[in-house]
Amino acid sequence: NAGVTQTPKFQVLKTGQSMTLQCAQDMNHEYMSWYRQDPGMGLRLIHYSVGAGITDQGEVPNGYNVSRSTTEDFPLRLLSAAPSQTSVYFCASSPNLWVSNQPQHFGDGTRLSIL
Amino acid sequence: KQEVTQIPAALSVPEGENLVLNCSFTDSAIYNLQWFRQDPGKGLTSLLLIQSSQREQTSGRLNASLDKSSGRSTLYIAASQPGDSATYLCAVRRGGADGLTFGKGTHLIIQP
Repeated sequence: NAGVTQTPKFQVLKTGQSMTLQCAQDMNHEYMSWYRQDPGMGLRLIHYSVGAGITDQGEVPNGYNVSRSTTEDFPLRLLSAAPSQTSVYFCASSPNLWVSNQPQHFGDGTRLSIL
Repeated sequence: KQEVTQIPAALSVPEGENLVLNCSFTDSAIYNLQWFRQDPGKGLTSLLLIQSSQREQTSGRLNASLDKSSGRSTLYIAASQPGDSATYLCAVRRGGADGLTFGKGTHLIIQP
């Protein structure tokens, strides 16, 4: 039972490069989301999805794209990396949208440095 | 906009003490509240979830309470152990289709 799997665990990019952070869950969860964690700022929501084919913006969406073509996968794309995007990125999922006792499950994170 | 505050930001206590971590939120219209633990360099582990209609939840030595009307939650840790050392995060969710709004956490150190 893998849960929420994020790859890669670590990545170093140069300014202007693009990359995709992968997130996959094997629990058939409807809801998936991406957060970034920065010192002194806490975790902030980037984008989220309530099901395949549906995505929406969170608190800090600029510079990031997402898509949800399957229930299992929710990749996060950095189009042109900037040093301000240096952060730890977490993917999360939760099952049924309309049952309030369902916790969100988090992956182990991707540590991204932009030089 | 929902804001979540956790007090204290850091806490260091001797092993064996009972302790309380505090979380407050500005908008009482919440769906649920979740407490997480985060170890250095690691992901988030869910500890307890309290639905908006509930007052408390318990798991082992942990007890979380919720007073929605006053915008407060507490995490009570009984008989603390060095293995409890971690950062504890409080997060609230407005609705089933919404994300979590997190506090900045309480960094807890339990001295052996």
